[in-house]
Amino acid sequence: RKEVEQDPGPFNVPEGATVAFNCTYSNSASQSFFWYRQDCRKEPKLLMSVYSSGNEDGRFTAQLNRASQYISLLIRDSKLSDSATYLCVVRFTGNQFYFGTGTSLTVIP
Amino acid sequence: NAGVTQTPKFQVLKTGQSMTLQCAQDMNHNSMYWYRQDPGMGLRLIYYSASEGTTDKGEVPNGYNVSRLNKREFSLRLESAAPSQTSVYFCASLLLGEFRANVLTFGAGSRLTVL
Repeated sequence: RKEVEQDPGPFNVPEGATVAFNCTYSNSASQSFFWYRQDCRKEPKLLMSVYSSGNEDGRFTAQLNRASQYISLLIRDSKLSDSATYLCVVRFTGNQFYFGTGTSLTVIP
Repeated sequence: NAGVTQTPKFQVLKTGQSMTLQCAQDMNHNSMYWYRQDPGMGLRLIYYSASEGTTDKGEVPNGYNVSRLNKREFSLRLESAAPSQTSVYFCASLLLGEFRANVLTFGAGSRLTVL
């Protein structure tokens, strides 16, 4: 069983749509949570950290539910430039970072 | 500021050959990591080094060795390459500190094919 599980998609949405991605993690001792973005054949880059109270960065909103061991990412008003793979990342004790398989998003004109 | 630099970017090996992937960071980060990425599998942690002089196994260490040469450099060695090691390899580094500093910075990746 993977430490971090994501729905791989793909998600194909029209421009302007709202889309949500979910992620679950298995280790209740997990310490930090992140969403990374990866463009085709490129390295992953941090999209946003996920804080316990939830946080927002422009059109992106991240939520954390520690009791259910669940993380989400909401993208509002999708742009063509949002097309990418979104990776859920969890930091465990000892500074080990584990990645989900990623969720593929294509925004259609 | 180069960030994290990986070499080579591309490599083709024959089964049984050995090679070393090099990684260097110029951000004075404490921790360094090696991941591999395969289609449908996401990034999987091979080895990591929390600080200079220490290394630990990740999820998929078999067939690999690592060396944390100094604070800047962390190399990954394949002693006897196998086709199952065909993958894209990413090196990353991390500055330990307060929560907001705990962000992985990745290199551009090394694409390895084993025939």
